[in-house]
Amino acid sequence: GNSVTQMEGPVTLSEEAFLTINCTYTATGYPSLFWYVQYPGEGLQLLLKATKADDKGSNKGFEATYRKETTSFHLEKGSVQVSDSAVYFCALSDQNGGFKTIFGAGTRLFVKA
Amino acid sequence: GAGVSQTPSNKVTEKGKYVELRCDPISGHTALYWYRQSLGQGPEFLIYFQGTGAADDSGLPNDRFFAVRPEGSVSTLKIQRTERGDSAVYLCASSFDGGANTGELFFGEGSRLTVL
Repeated sequence: GNSVTQMEGPVTLSEEAFLTINCTYTATGYPSLFWYVQYPGEGLQLLLKATKADDKGSNKGFEATYRKETTSFHLEKGSVQVSDSAVYFCALSDQNGGFKTIFGAGTRLFVKA
Repeated sequence: GAGVSQTPSNKVTEKGKYVELRCDPISGHTALYWYRQSLGQGPEFLIYFQGTGAADDSGLPNDRFFAVRPEGSVSTLKIQRTERGDSAVYLCASSFDGGANTGELFFGEGSRLTVL
């Protein structure tokens, strides 16, 4: 079945540091890939998405590129801010999985001033 | 309201009791999803509705769990004979159209269930 594996947290960075959160997936079809973010005290919200190989999703300075050859969708940001502190979830959805979206375990990010 | 609304936000019950959790999706969204999130884990899929029908209920853990969406809008997740292991945050999400056009899920803030 489909699955998502992402790096364990917590990740602690200083402000303006470079961020990478690794995500790899297993899927029998051609999935769409997502990053969702959960800020403290708020519900999950979509951060970015990519629907086919080599697509790059981007939003709020975050980027992730859909790599079919390595089945990866790593999240990156060049310079993090304290306000980026949150839990980040990698997710996928595909036809062979009945179109339900499945999520990784989440990676908590702490950014220190 | 403009977003997905879930009630109650917190529910404390005793082992063996019956619980209902309600989700009011964004108006016009045909797809509705229920997830369960335990501490430190990602959302775990339970069930997905397309309109009034359950398109995929493969994530319901056992027959104590049941969900309905009788008019294609509000949904209720029902848990019978609750067990301590059912304690979690139950998340509801909606999207404009599931299926091949699945895109962004809009989540509510969740219902935190504690079974004593």
